[in-house]
Amino acid sequence: GEEVAQTPKHLVRGEGQKAKLYCAPIKGHSYVFWYQQVLKNEFKFLISFQNENVFDETGMPKERFSAKCLPNSPCSLEIQATKLEDSAVYFCASSQSMGTHNEQFFGPGTRLTVL
Amino acid sequence: KQEVTQIPAALSVPEGENLVLNCSFTDSAIYNLQWFRQDPGKGLTSLLLIQSSQREQTSGRLNASLDKSSGRSTLYIAASQPGDSATYLCAVRPRIKAAGNKLTFGGGTRVLVKP
Repeated sequence: GEEVAQTPKHLVRGEGQKAKLYCAPIKGHSYVFWYQQVLKNEFKFLISFQNENVFDETGMPKERFSAKCLPNSPCSLEIQATKLEDSAVYFCASSQSMGTHNEQFFGPGTRLTVL
Repeated sequence: KQEVTQIPAALSVPEGENLVLNCSFTDSAIYNLQWFRQDPGKGLTSLLLIQSSQREQTSGRLNASLDKSSGRSTLYIAASQPGDSATYLCAVRPRIKAAGNKLTFGGGTRVLVKP
């Protein structure tokens, strides 16, 4: 597709429940990124992929967060046993390559509310 | 560690006035800098990307400059319109390989253009 697609738009979970978010990058883009936006505009990098391989996972809370990008499937971000502080908007972005001229294009985000 | 700052956090101008948005970053070792626009409850729209070798980029009423040595970028929006009301974010992509491809965001400047 021409745009980064994210589903669902909104997700509400009780504390301790699992949450799974999906992202379809722009067709032809090799890199996928996940960011978490909390407290107005504070963006935190979570993880990036080069095709189906993890490229950088330095931002991932290892214990409860996991992510995958499998061939011919949307990428996913899963949070096991959600906590109140996981409430945020999760953005997926994609870029074509690593060149200096390559922009990251963002999806509309998934708003996760943990009650 | 790269830190990106945007001042002011909020700006209100009458329609027709030119907008000047500032972004500063602490580490000049960057591949590029992107300016984004975010409308309330929406995703990020990429406005301009400036590569580290460039000094400015223009798109319509938008002009972004980059002074890498002083760690500054400025986004100019000419003849502002009420439709320009949004939050504007800048983000830098580090040159350091160990930092991966992730973007580091500023806190954003919330702009209101009054008719």
